[in-house]
Amino acid sequence: DIVMTQSPDSLAVSLGERATIHCKSSQNVLYSSNNQNYLAWYQQKPGQPPKLLIYWASTRESGVPDRFSGSGSGTDFTLTISSLQAEDVAVYYCQQYYSSPAFGPGTKVDIK
Amino acid sequence: QLQLQESGPGLVKPSETLSLTCTVSGGSISSSGYYWGWIRQPPGKGLEWIGSIYYSGSTYNNAALKSRVTMSVDTSKKQFSLKLSSVTAADTAVYYCARHIVVVVAGPGPGPVDHWGQGTLVTVSS
Repeated sequence: DIVMTQSPDSLAVSLGERATIHCKSSQNVLYSSNNQNYLAWYQQKPGQPPKLLIYWASTRESGVPDRFSGSGSGTDFTLTISSLQAEDVAVYYCQQYYSSPAFGPGTKVDIK
Repeated sequence: QLQLQESGPGLVKPSETLSLTCTVSGGSISSSGYYWGWIRQPPGKGLEWIGSIYYSGSTYNNAALKSRVTMSVDTSKKQFSLKLSSVTAADTAVYYCARHIVVVVAGPGPGPVDHWGQGTLVTVSS
């Protein structure tokens, strides 16, 4: 099974500053036949279900602000919030879907 | 717009079977482009995928739970269901039903989740 890890566990960023979250998979999630990374990012606010932000490692879901971006390939991935807004306070999860879906443990983002 | 709604008992006794149903509205459950899944979240913890089912009835299961999980789909009622047997306190969680986009690796499988239910808390306690 593919195991996902994330770092840091939590971070606090000033409003308007950049937030960067890292995700690592225990195995490669790049499928060579279509050159796609089978990696998604979700945002979960308290009391709400998660919301899909990014899939294929870097494709933003419709309606997601462009301050959210995803990058990386193979086993190492990054979610970047370019200018943190108050409404971005949440827990962020990565998920691989190359094999049986698995989520990372989450990264909590707060305002400094 | 697509909506998913979980239903079922909020309290289950240890060793018994947890049963939940998800009703889909605002869209088709029989589309070839989607899997329908279950994901849970223990209080204050992270997300765990339980399993997913295609409208045809084919399933993907979390290996760690596979022996206790049964999933079914009723396309006429636009519902899919989860049964988790021999529950313990460790199965206490918010259970979400979800729609996965189909992706292809060796064959079609459950990809990212683009729609979630609101979740239902199931507590295992005597």
